[in-house]
Amino acid sequence: GAGVSQSPRYKVAKRGQDVALRCDPISGHVSLFWYQQALGQGPEFLTYFQNEAQLDKSGLPSDRFFAERPEGSVSTLKIQRTQQEDSAVYLCASSFYVERGGELFFGEGSRLTVL
Amino acid sequence: AQTVTQSQPEMSVQEAETVTLSCTYDTSESDYYLFWYKQPPSRQMILVIRQEAYKQQNATENRFSVNFQKAAKSFSLKISDSQLGDAAMYFCAYRSSGGSNYKLTFGKGTLLTVNP
Repeated sequence: GAGVSQSPRYKVAKRGQDVALRCDPISGHVSLFWYQQALGQGPEFLTYFQNEAQLDKSGLPSDRFFAERPEGSVSTLKIQRTQQEDSAVYLCASSFYVERGGELFFGEGSRLTVL
Repeated sequence: AQTVTQSQPEMSVQEAETVTLSCTYDTSESDYYLFWYKQPPSRQMILVIRQEAYKQQNATENRFSVNFQKAAKSFSLKISDSQLGDAAMYFCAYRSSGGSNYKLTFGKGTLLTVNP
């Protein structure tokens, strides 16, 4: 696609529900990131993939958060048993090869509200 | 760990005027990258300008320029001839050029309002 596509743009979940957020990066991009942006804050790193390999998941806040990119393209961020503190915008970004200075391209984010 | 501080939660500027957004950072590294990103209400982060720490010359992109003071760990963004379309959240960000050279560390942002 022309840009990074994320779906859904908005998700309302009841506390305890599981949610799945999808990211479709720019075709051919090796690097893929997930960031969490709480209201009024800057984005915070969650996890990083290089192709299908998850090289860094140090930013995932708990074991309820899980991300995958099985074929090295589309990625899914899954949150199990959602809590109110999970309410945030989840941003996906991709790059041709960030370690070689590739520019990051961001999607429009998925806004999750947990009631 | 690196930290990025934006001390101005909000700024406003008149159309066609100049505004400067401040950013300071803390790092023990000597080589790194600094960025300014713009986030309009659509939420999509857009890269405005990028500076490599090893370059002494300040980066410029059309109406956008930076004042990079490495010793002071300061990286301000100047927007000249402000336009209504410049209204957005602006985030300063840091990226190492060493081991974890893929993570961005962001500041809390500055909300810029452009008045007609």
